[in-house]
Amino acid sequence: GAVVSQHPSWVICKSGTSVKIECRSLDFQATTMFWYRQFPKQSLMLMATSNEGSKATYEQGVEKDKFLINHASLTLSTLTVTSAHPEDSSFYICSSANPNTGELFFGEGSRLTVL
Amino acid sequence: QKEVEQDPGPLSVPEGAIVSLNCTYSNSAFQYFMWYRQYSRKGPELLMYTYSSGNKEDGRFTAQVDKSSKYISLFIRDSQPSDSATYLCAMNMNRDDKIIFGKGTRLHILP
Repeated sequence: GAVVSQHPSWVICKSGTSVKIECRSLDFQATTMFWYRQFPKQSLMLMATSNEGSKATYEQGVEKDKFLINHASLTLSTLTVTSAHPEDSSFYICSSANPNTGELFFGEGSRLTVL
Repeated sequence: QKEVEQDPGPLSVPEGAIVSLNCTYSNSAFQYFMWYRQYSRKGPELLMYTYSSGNKEDGRFTAQVDKSSKYISLFIRDSQPSDSATYLCAMNMNRDDKIIFGKGTRLHILP
């Protein structure tokens, strides 16, 4: 079964609205979770590292005010795309690392389409 | 030079053939190596996770790491149409470090 659950799997929204994506680590507690963005036929681009109980660490070029990350518990991290625009349309994927083995498990991804 | 190089393909092989997927890397400090399979519009799925040089086998899949050449491979035996997907290599220096991904190789297994 799934180790990491991501919801919703797809979402369509109007330009200017905000969208929240949830990522749950089902099999283990995760102090750290990761958010990626993937364009068609491209590899994963790390956006930010979500740290439980503290601020997320954003990669260079990623707007922290645009992509709000909250990691309120050891099993849940959320990504909110604020004031979404069509260029934010993409496939967003979260991941969680097994704290004992270091193996990285991914969610099923969320496809965001901004009209 | 990019940290991780991976031929994007597409790679088309007949069903039953042995598939060889490869990545090269530039950072000799990488110690943990991974292969992920990603079906269209799905999240990546971990296939193999290895540490340092050597081989690791799991069913029809064999991962090979040659740190002296900075070269890793994934072999798929008795390939099947259901193996058609994008395969991403990934690696990091320490278990908790940022993981660097290759761009992925698109594989098509022809029935």
